[in-house]
Amino acid sequence: NAGVTQTPKFQVLKTGQSMTLQCAQDMNHNSMYWYRQDPGMGLRLIYYSASEGTTDKGEVPNGYNVSRLNKREFSLRLESAAPSQTSVYFCASRQGSTSQNTDTQYFGPGTRLTVL
Amino acid sequence: AQSVTQLGSHVSVSEGALVLLRCNYSSSVPPYLFWYVQYPNQGLQLLLKYTTGATLVKGINGFEAEFKKSETSFHLTKPSAHMSDAAEYFCAVSGSNTDKLIFGTGTRLQVFP
Repeated sequence: NAGVTQTPKFQVLKTGQSMTLQCAQDMNHNSMYWYRQDPGMGLRLIYYSASEGTTDKGEVPNGYNVSRLNKREFSLRLESAAPSQTSVYFCASRQGSTSQNTDTQYFGPGTRLTVL
Repeated sequence: AQSVTQLGSHVSVSEGALVLLRCNYSSSVPPYLFWYVQYPNQGLQLLLKYTTGATLVKGINGFEAEFKKSETSFHLTKPSAHMSDAAEYFCAVSGSNTDKLIFGTGTRLQVFP
């Protein structure tokens, strides 16, 4: 039981390049999330998916797209990377699919992205 | 809408001393409150959470937090710090009207020998 896995662990991009961050969970969770973590700003929600086939914008969605490929996988795509997207990206999942958000979110180990 | 304020971006304590990390929240509905810990170069893991019921919540590694509605606070404490407690701690809030967590900006705890 690996929990939440993310690939790659590290990535360096040039401005304008594109890439996809991969996330998978093996806990049969319904909801999945993408966050970015920047110094002094905590974690900010980029996109989330309450169930397979649905996605919704979070606090900072601009410049990103997501795909909930199936129940296990939730990918984050940067179409044209910018230096402002240099950050650590975390994927998370939780069991529930509705509000009543009492259950625990489980986090992956993160992807450290640098955009030059 | 919900928000979280963590007072003090850095806290330093001596090994064996009391740990107190402050968290105040704002919520338009009864809040669900969480503390997460992040060790260097790792993801976040849950320390403890309050949803309903007993307002004093005990978590892993000897941490506990008390929900005080009148003060809109959910401060994290540990009676005696260990070197292994050095990490960043995040308070987060959610509620019955949302499936999102709102995180505070974090408090980095340093423990000196």
